[in-house]
Amino acid sequence: AQRVTQPEKLLSVFKGAPVELKCNYSYSGSPELFWYVQYSRQRLQLLLRHISRESIKGFTADLNKGETSFHLKKPFAQEEDSAMYYCALSGHSGGYNKLIFGAGTRLAVHP
Amino acid sequence: KAGVTQTPRYLIKTRGQQVTLSCSPISGHRSVSWYQQTPGQGLQFLFEYFSETQRNKGNFPGRFSGRQFSNSRSEMNVSTLELGDSALYLCASSRPAQNNEQFFGPGTRLTVL
Repeated sequence: AQRVTQPEKLLSVFKGAPVELKCNYSYSGSPELFWYVQYSRQRLQLLLRHISRESIKGFTADLNKGETSFHLKKPFAQEEDSAMYYCALSGHSGGYNKLIFGAGTRLAVHP
Repeated sequence: KAGVTQTPRYLIKTRGQQVTLSCSPISGHRSVSWYQQTPGQGLQFLFEYFSETQRNKGNFPGRFSGRQFSNSRSEMNVSTLELGDSALYLCASSRPAQNNEQFFGPGTRLTVL
């Protein structure tokens, strides 16, 4: 079964602290992994995708196929990073533009 | 470039009624996907349309249906509303290739009384 697990509902850190939002997936095949973010009163938007291998707003995520994980990391959190973060996967067997989302993790960065 | 628009933004209905939600994709985007977001179940895929054809469907009852028009605008319909259908319904558009970035609309908040 295709599944995305985000074990933490809430992650609370202080400004300048490192952040790691965990994501594990279950998929038989080669999925494509994404991180979407939703800031307060804004739309859900793509933060990054594993095939791009790029850093967006200081965030990076590496796909670990052995551990079936795609954790999101940032070395120094900023207050503006406070938002809801969703890990999602899409795969060939799921077809086209079907995203399977995790439950989401709320990141709260305190001054 | 204008973003994805959804109408109406808020809707209140009673059990047993039906409802139609509308989504206008970004110009040039021919794929439109619909998602249901609830506190209990999170974000769940409903269906995807491309070139007026449904090409993927999630695990929702037949009361949930949709369609896409030749201009790529899409509608979803929910018949015989139940209390559990109360949710935020999100529409996303993307270019037609597989696994392209999806651009989300603001959502329609449906409340069923």
